[in-house]
Amino acid sequence: ELKVEQNPLFLSMQEGKNYTIYCNYSTTSDRLYWYRQDPGKSLESLFVLLSNGAVKQEGRLMASLDTKARLSTLHITAAVHDLSATYFCAVDTGTGNQFYFGTGTSLTVIP
Amino acid sequence: GAVVSQHPSRVICKSGTSVKIECRSLDFQATTMFWYRQFPKQSLMLMATSNEGSKATYEQGVEKDKFLINHASLTLSTLTVTSAHPEDSSFYICSARGLRGAYTRYTFGSGTRLTVV
Repeated sequence: ELKVEQNPLFLSMQEGKNYTIYCNYSTTSDRLYWYRQDPGKSLESLFVLLSNGAVKQEGRLMASLDTKARLSTLHITAAVHDLSATYFCAVDTGTGNQFYFGTGTSLTVIP
Repeated sequence: GAVVSQHPSRVICKSGTSVKIECRSLDFQATTMFWYRQFPKQSLMLMATSNEGSKATYEQGVEKDKFLINHASLTLSTLTVTSAHPEDSSFYICSARGLRGAYTRYTFGSGTRLTVV
């Protein structure tokens, strides 16, 4: 059974600080997605990582993928309050019929 | 960009009744659609995967007779919660998979908040 685990589950950080969220998965995959979810809302796509070593950046967020370690990271630089949300990684197993989400990381940025 | 329309956004129903949730891909053909359930402060749990014209594949522990999925066309999938009970109250989200450019994209509906009273 595929497992996708995120660390930490809850993160409270001050504005201006940096932090990294980790996503580990248990099966071979070279497709990793990051999403943001605000309370009561659906998912907003942040990044699509399609190969080993892929790195993508958008604003204060940067995502990377190491398929050999089965690890993706989401790095937050100089956090601002607007980044407060729950962040999910998701793994596409490649067979086409399974797309699983990580446990989620609830981020609160404190002014 | 790719848009997935999900309706209704909120529904309240009485225990024992059935509720149908629709998921439409508006500007692309969805070869596969996924249905998820999300309880408060938890992750999205995959319920089932459906391909157009074929029976849905359900995840372990999901009752196929209770959660009926129909994927009649490349743009429409429906989830019917039959004989709903309070424990079925949850946030249901669909996702449509389609090709965009060189790779696969997953586009999510806006979700349906189901409350069974």
